[in-house]
Amino acid sequence: DSGVTQTPKHLITATGQRVTLRCSPRSGDLSVYWYQQSLDQGLQFLIQYYNGEERAKGNILERFSAQQFPDLHSELNLSSLELGDSALYFCASSVNTQGGEQYFGPGTRLTVT
Amino acid sequence: ILNVEQSPQSLHVQEGDSTNFTCSFPSSNFYALHWYRWETAKSPEALFVMTLNGDEKKKGRISATLNTKEGYSYLYIKGSQPEDSATYLCAFYLLYGGATNKLIFGTGTLLAVQP
Repeated sequence: DSGVTQTPKHLITATGQRVTLRCSPRSGDLSVYWYQQSLDQGLQFLIQYYNGEERAKGNILERFSAQQFPDLHSELNLSSLELGDSALYFCASSVNTQGGEQYFGPGTRLTVT
Repeated sequence: ILNVEQSPQSLHVQEGDSTNFTCSFPSSNFYALHWYRWETAKSPEALFVMTLNGDEKKKGRISATLNTKEGYSYLYIKGSQPEDSATYLCAFYLLYGGATNKLIFGTGTLLAVQP
């Protein structure tokens, strides 16, 4: 158990809908990262927050947004969902932003039908 | 486009065999190289974070080396056991500064150890 929690574990929704994925980092970790793993693709970095502020952005679509709250939990919002958004979404946390190891949550499996 | 390449894509070995995998990454803007172990139905788990050229790290039967000048890292598993079966991911921490720092993952090497 990494200490990172994600909810929900599974989510099934229809195209055009909006969903929110939630992540709580390990106690003491200030950085939260979101990754997407689609079929036949490696882990793709989406976005990073550090202590409430956006710090780095990867291949995140404009339909997706995220935020980190004062209690350090983070939410990833996915809107106008398309079939291609079906994927496993991981949240990871680390102590700081200095390239140290990341601790991954169990992931949320999103299926868009 | 910055790519992290891992080889081989998959590997099947017998219990007791020793094995190694390769991770190739860009040698510029290097900050750190991560190795993760990802078992089926679980989440990636950090094995090593390496930052210095010539670094060697070891955890039990697993070890890793780093060459930042030529842009490669090797992961070795000595005396493979069935419980070593997993996907081994390497990730290159790209340092541009500010909002562009990020971890770029390879697609992994899938190791299957037959009893």
